[in-house]
Amino acid sequence: AQSVTQLDSQVPVFEEAPVELRCNYSSSVSVYLFWYVQYPNQGLQLLLKYLSGSTLVKGINGFEAEFNKSQTSFHLRKPSVHISDTAEYFCAVSDMDTGRRALTFGSGTRLQVQP
Amino acid sequence: DADVTQTPRNRITKTGKRIMLECSQTKGHDRMYWYRQDPGLGLRLIYYSFDVKDINKGEISDGYSVSRQAQAKFSLSLESAIPNQTALYFCATDDGTGAETQYFGPGTRLLVL
Repeated sequence: AQSVTQLDSQVPVFEEAPVELRCNYSSSVSVYLFWYVQYPNQGLQLLLKYLSGSTLVKGINGFEAEFNKSQTSFHLRKPSVHISDTAEYFCAVSDMDTGRRALTFGSGTRLQVQP
Repeated sequence: DADVTQTPRNRITKTGKRIMLECSQTKGHDRMYWYRQDPGLGLRLIYYSFDVKDINKGEISDGYSVSRQAQAKFSLSLESAIPNQTALYFCATDDGTGAETQYFGPGTRLLVL
């Protein structure tokens, strides 16, 4: 079984400032890692994913994340945020080995970008 | 047109009523999922299906049932709704090729009185 912890439920930040949203996971097997974004009144869409290879993953809208296996972390970063980045962000994992592929989500982090 | 659609988008029902939430997809994917979202809890898996004949329980399946009528359709039923099933419900699909991307519908907001 896996679990995902998002350490911050809300992150307020000023426009054009950098931001980091933290994600740690626990799993007894190898996992794939994801960040999804949910804009107000919408479904979730994929920001980026780590399946294998380079541990630094670049996604849409200028976001990137780094997989750190020793710290079991997959933190999301953006060097300069915009008002339009205001949304809820979910970190998720799926089991690489069993093929089940259903996602286990963290509780979410609400990013509030202020002018 | 959206690739994953859910109906209804909003529903109010009473305790004890049976209701069905429907999901349709035009992506041609075999794998479909139902999640519920509660504030502060993220999304939790209710049921998932890898093809029409393969349906599996997720972590919170009690009080729910599903039907995979066709590759494109996956319905979630609440046999006897209760207030703690008030939540936002999402359907999702993936193509099972290893790209590992799930595509989500817009959600159904359910209120059980």
